[in-house]
Amino acid sequence: IAGITQAPTSQILAAGRRMTLRCTQDMRHNAMYWYRQDLGLGLRLIHYSNTAGTTGKGEVPDGYSVSRANTDDFPLTLASAVPSQTSVYFCASSPGTGSGANVLTFGAGSRLTVL
Amino acid sequence: GQNIDQPTEMTATEGAIVQINCTYQTSGFNGLFWYQQHAGEAPTFLSYNVLDGLEEKGRFSSFLSRSKGYSYLLLKELQMKDSASYLCASMDSNYQLIWGAGTKLIIKP
Repeated sequence: IAGITQAPTSQILAAGRRMTLRCTQDMRHNAMYWYRQDLGLGLRLIHYSNTAGTTGKGEVPDGYSVSRANTDDFPLTLASAVPSQTSVYFCASSPGTGSGANVLTFGAGSRLTVL
Repeated sequence: GQNIDQPTEMTATEGAIVQINCTYQTSGFNGLFWYQQHAGEAPTFLSYNVLDGLEEKGRFSSFLSRSKGYSYLLLKELQMKDSASYLCASMDSNYQLIWGAGTKLIIKP
């Protein structure tokens, strides 16, 4: 089934631990994104990649890093998790970055709890 | 600054019509998106408006007024499965999406 796969679905993590959220898409989309969603707030962009080999910072990048070694994979790493990073994380992709091409397809989300 | 405003919660009756409003203020404008998100699930695309006017797609319609920085999503013949959050997002001059916090729509029998 074409789409975006995120793993893990859910994770409880001790503060200070390193964590990588995985994201893979099979739609050959050029652009990929990581968002976090917190109650009462809109989706906030953490990092994005317009094409393989490039990445950029979004609205809330601190404490997170990404890489885009190929078209399909876009992992998000928390180097040293803190409780404020407790959230639901969504990976998304779009065919391109121009206006009409920017319809996002989202993964099912990864619920992360940092204690 | 950039800002998207939409009501936090709305309640409507099955079979009725509901209008969810969204006002936006972004640096530049490259279109207005609506997404639907059921509880515990991923957002899914509903509509995209870049020109003024009404776009109809089955029971759902979306309206845009660029001069007023205003959009609405109109849902007709409401069904229980329409209970969800509806997310408004404006695309700025850098083609980045600025998201509202979402409107939780509760449908009652």
